[in-house]
Amino acid sequence: DAMVIQNPRYQVTQFGKPVTLSCSQTLNHNVMYWYQQKSSQAPKLLFHYYDKDFNNEADTPDNFQSRRPNTSFCFLDIRSPGLGDAAMYLCATSSNTGNTEAFFGQGTRLTVV
Amino acid sequence: AQKVTQAQTEISVVEKEDVTLDCVYETRDTTYYLFWYKQPPSGELVFLIRRNSFDEQNEISGRYSWNFQKSTSSFNFTITASQVVDSAVYFCALSEGSGGSYIPTFGRGTSLIVHP
Repeated sequence: DAMVIQNPRYQVTQFGKPVTLSCSQTLNHNVMYWYQQKSSQAPKLLFHYYDKDFNNEADTPDNFQSRRPNTSFCFLDIRSPGLGDAAMYLCATSSNTGNTEAFFGQGTRLTVV
Repeated sequence: AQKVTQAQTEISVVEKEDVTLDCVYETRDTTYYLFWYKQPPSGELVFLIRRNSFDEQNEISGRYSWNFQKSTSSFNFTITASQVVDSAVYFCALSEGSGGSYIPTFGRGTSLIVHP
């Protein structure tokens, strides 16, 4: 059974129209991550939560926001998607930060038209 | 700063061949963790192995083996007798404790194609 679930698997949004991607976990992990992965590139960390403590990467654009209302759920909000934001968005969890392995969802493929 | 280099962008082999995926890392920390993940076409990254910087023992798990050498800052991954199902993108990742936060950084990945 999937332990990290991302919805939707595929999302098409219009240029400039806000969009929200969701992630849920059944592992009760403390840490949740959002990564952006463009074609043939490494996953790039956008931000992560350690419990309710939000940590934003320095180069993550302000256009990207996140919410974690409880342990199980985490959301990625893109306020005004541009064509350059088209990518695969990966959610991951871990019991602790990087000294333990991360469990990934299947990703949401975002297309901006 | 941390950096993970996977110099091989794509490797193509025929089934039953052995293949080694290279990973070279850079870090100034003495405590760090190295990982390998597999990303099949379905998109989900699957954890394969974790190594901490104090454990240089090589590991074998079925057809998979890993060679960790601190002297060359490498953490290479070998698949013995490759199979079509091994076709995927493989990522090496490093996390270190800079600022007390061990956040994994991924290499660019190596796409492995195994032909029948």
